[in-house]
Amino acid sequence: AQKITQTQPGMFVQEKEAVTLDCTYDTSDPSYGLFWYKQPSSGEMIFLIYQGSYDQQNATEGRYSLNFQKARKSANLVISASQLGDSAMYFCAMRLPPNFGNEKLTFGTGTRLTIIP
Amino acid sequence: EAEVAQSPRYKITEKSQAVAFWCDPISGHATLYWYRQILGQGPELLVQFQDESVVDDSQLPKDRFSAERLKGVDSTLKIQPAELGDSAMYLCASSHLGNEQFFGPGTRLTVL
Repeated sequence: AQKITQTQPGMFVQEKEAVTLDCTYDTSDPSYGLFWYKQPSSGEMIFLIYQGSYDQQNATEGRYSLNFQKARKSANLVISASQLGDSAMYFCAMRLPPNFGNEKLTFGTGTRLTIIP
Repeated sequence: EAEVAQSPRYKITEKSQAVAFWCDPISGHATLYWYRQILGQGPELLVQFQDESVVDDSQLPKDRFSAERLKGVDSTLKIQPAELGDSAMYLCASSHLGNEQFFGPGTRLTVL
């Protein structure tokens, strides 16, 4: 069965610094998709970035980038130039398979990020 | 911008009572998901619909939970009777052709 591990329950980062949130995953399926979601205190899950297992390059979306190391089964989220509005819970998730069908997401336990002014 | 709508946003009920949550996905999204998120944990899938058909309800406690999507558009999740352990955030999401899932604001349930 697939599993997502986020080992950092909480992080405090100074505003404008870069931050890396760790995520490791476990699956024997060669085809999968990895996601990062942000959950503010209001509760909604906001999609940030996606990486497919066959993608040759690391995904980037604005200030977000995904450091995908397939051999190590890690998919760390990097946020550059952090802002106060980045304070939230961050969840890593995996989907098997990444194509049309049963696209259930398996989530990690999350990391609470707090940006300090 | 299109959004997933959920209501109510907050619900407080007493144990053994019945509760119902409603979700309206983004227009055109055939796939709809209900997740439950217990405080301090990540969301867990309860049920997935493809149009009006259930694709996966393996984690749905069927003795007390039910879900329907009669016309393949909006959906209702019901709990009867509610138990203390059902206190959680209930999140609805939708997707189009297997692409990323878009989540609604959630319903925060408190069972007293």
